[in-house]
Amino acid sequence: GDSVTQMEGPVTLSEEAFLTINCTYTATGYPSLFWYVQYPGEGLQLLLKATKADDKGSNKGFEATYRKETTSFHLEKGSVQVSDSAVYFCALSDSYGDSSGSARQLTFGSGTQLTVLP
Amino acid sequence: KAGVTQTPRYLIKTRGQQVTLSCSPISGHRSVSWYQQTPGQGLQFLFEYFSETQRNKGNFPGRFSGRQFSNSRSEMNVSTLELGDSALYLCASSLTGEVEQYFGPGTRLTVT
Repeated sequence: GDSVTQMEGPVTLSEEAFLTINCTYTATGYPSLFWYVQYPGEGLQLLLKATKADDKGSNKGFEATYRKETTSFHLEKGSVQVSDSAVYFCALSDSYGDSSGSARQLTFGSGTQLTVLP
Repeated sequence: KAGVTQTPRYLIKTRGQQVTLSCSPISGHRSVSWYQQTPGQGLQFLFEYFSETQRNKGNFPGRFSGRQFSNSRSEMNVSTLELGDSALYLCASSLTGEVEQYFGPGTRLTVT
């Protein structure tokens, strides 16, 4: 079945450091890939997405590129801030060629806790 | 536009009881999915509803059930609660033809 493997945490960085969180996936179809972020006591917020190979998703300075050849979707940010401290989840949705194009179930990685120190 | 809302936000129940959680999707969204989040198992898919029909179901026992109403609002029910059902239950909605899902704040269920 589908699976997502995420870099183990926790990750602690100083403000303005470069961030990489690794994510690799296994899927039988043509998945869409996502990064979600969860702040303490809250639900998940969609950070960025990519729906096909070589797509680059970006938002709020975060970027991730859909690499089909390496089945990866690593999250990067050039300069992290204290406010970026949260748990980050990589996820995939395998449409199985669903003609409706509607969202299907998400398969999540285990999450990576990021702490940014001032 | 209002986001996904879930009620109640917090709930404490006793083993053996049952519980109903509610989710109102973003206006215009017809697909609603439910997920369970625990420290040990992470985020796991429960089920998805579209146009009042369960379209997809995860690997959970029959004690977990759900339904969707004609206005796309959804409820999930857990019967005969067990201590292991303590979790954050997240609801997500999506727009037909779009792949992304938008999550609510969750309902924190504690079973004692």
